[in-house]
Amino acid sequence: NAGVTQTPKFQVLKTGQSMTLQCAQDMNHNSMYWYRQDPGMGLRLIYYSASEGTTDKGEVPNGYNVSRLNKREFSLRLESAAPSQTSVYFCASSQRGGRFYNEQFFGPGTRLTVL
Amino acid sequence: GQQVMQIPQYQHVQEGEDFTTYCNSSTTLSNIQWYKQRPGGHPVFLIQLVKSGEVKKQKRLTFQFGEAKKNSSLHITATQTTDVGTYFCAPSQGGSEKLVFGKGTKLTVNP
Repeated sequence: NAGVTQTPKFQVLKTGQSMTLQCAQDMNHNSMYWYRQDPGMGLRLIYYSASEGTTDKGEVPNGYNVSRLNKREFSLRLESAAPSQTSVYFCASSQRGGRFYNEQFFGPGTRLTVL
Repeated sequence: GQQVMQIPQYQHVQEGEDFTTYCNSSTTLSNIQWYKQRPGGHPVFLIQLVKSGEVKKQKRLTFQFGEAKKNSSLHITATQTTDVGTYFCAPSQGGSEKLVFGKGTKLTVNP
């Protein structure tokens, strides 16, 4: 099992460009999440999906859109990138009712720089 | 929204010394998880605490959940260089699947 995979690993954008961060999990989890991590800020939830076809805003959703394409995949889109979106982005997944309720499994992250 | 304060923000210890990080909330928590993130890595789940006064041990790591379920701690006995990283507490938001991460405690260990 690959667990949670994210592409790309690194990305540099210019202000105003758009891009989509891809995330996939092979653990048959219902719930998926997108976080951003900035120095000294911990992880902040951008969007959350409890199941295929449903999404919910997190703490910092402005400037982002998401798509839960199917149970495996959850993508994050930046329509018009801004320097304030320079960050490390983590995707995670979890399964309700697992051995540890809501234990989240994280992908390796995407390091995004917006110039 | 629900917030937690994690202290200290940084901790530097000599190898073999003990280390403790604290997570405090102004509201009662339904449960709390702890994660470790190695430098350049991603967060990895360590433990979940659910019951008031709960204490769980994993080798040299001891996790506690306060009696009032408003605070939690992680204690590492006799630190090793492999303990280096940032430790995050993450209570469940309103009992849901969503977590609210603390800002973390960055631990460095001098060999």
